[in-house]
Amino acid sequence: DTEVTQTPKHLVMGMTNKKSLKCEQHMGHRAMYWYKQKAKKPPELMFVYSYEKLSINESVPSRFSPECPNSSLLNLHLHALQPEDSALYLCASSQEGQRRSNSPLHFGNGTRLTVT
Amino acid sequence: GESVGLHLPTLSVQEGDNSIINCAYSNSASDYFIWYKQESGKGPQFIIDIRSNMDKRQGQRVTVLLNKTVKHLSLQIAATQPGDSAVYFCAENPWASGGSYIPTFGRGTSLIVHP
Repeated sequence: DTEVTQTPKHLVMGMTNKKSLKCEQHMGHRAMYWYKQKAKKPPELMFVYSYEKLSINESVPSRFSPECPNSSLLNLHLHALQPEDSALYLCASSQEGQRRSNSPLHFGNGTRLTVT
Repeated sequence: GESVGLHLPTLSVQEGDNSIINCAYSNSASDYFIWYKQESGKGPQFIIDIRSNMDKRQGQRVTVLLNKTVKHLSLQIAATQPGDSAVYFCAENPWASGGSYIPTFGRGTSLIVHP
């Protein structure tokens, strides 16, 4: 079992809906990440939080809004999504903040999002 | 053997064989490299990492080789087992101009192990 927990596992939403994806880790990691993964493709970085501050936004559309309420939690708020946003959304954490050192990512099992 | 399809290269091996998965990275500024394994329905799982001051690192049944001259990584899996069947991604972690590391994944290789 992964030490990064994502909820829900599956989500179906209409284009006018507002929903949120949640991610939690209790490893004391100081960097948290959102990735988007399409079928048979590598994960693509969306956002990075380092020490609870947004440090990287990879030109993600504003219909995706990240939030880091504390060092253990990461949310991704979704609004007015398009069918092409359907994908697996992965949360990850790493031990050190993004500006300090390299360490491997620990991933959750993702939320499978379908936009209808 | 290995085949490169439209989306995901595939490597098919027999159980007990050794497997070699290759990866070309693009950024000369990368100084840290990681291999991940992703099974169906799961997130990527860390296998082994290597820093740019090394050219080889061994784990349990896995070895990573780094050739900085040609920007090439490989993952060797000894005595491959059916449980090794998964998609394998290499990842690099270049320091970006904005002042952060940017973990970036290669396109992945699907390993199929036949019993």
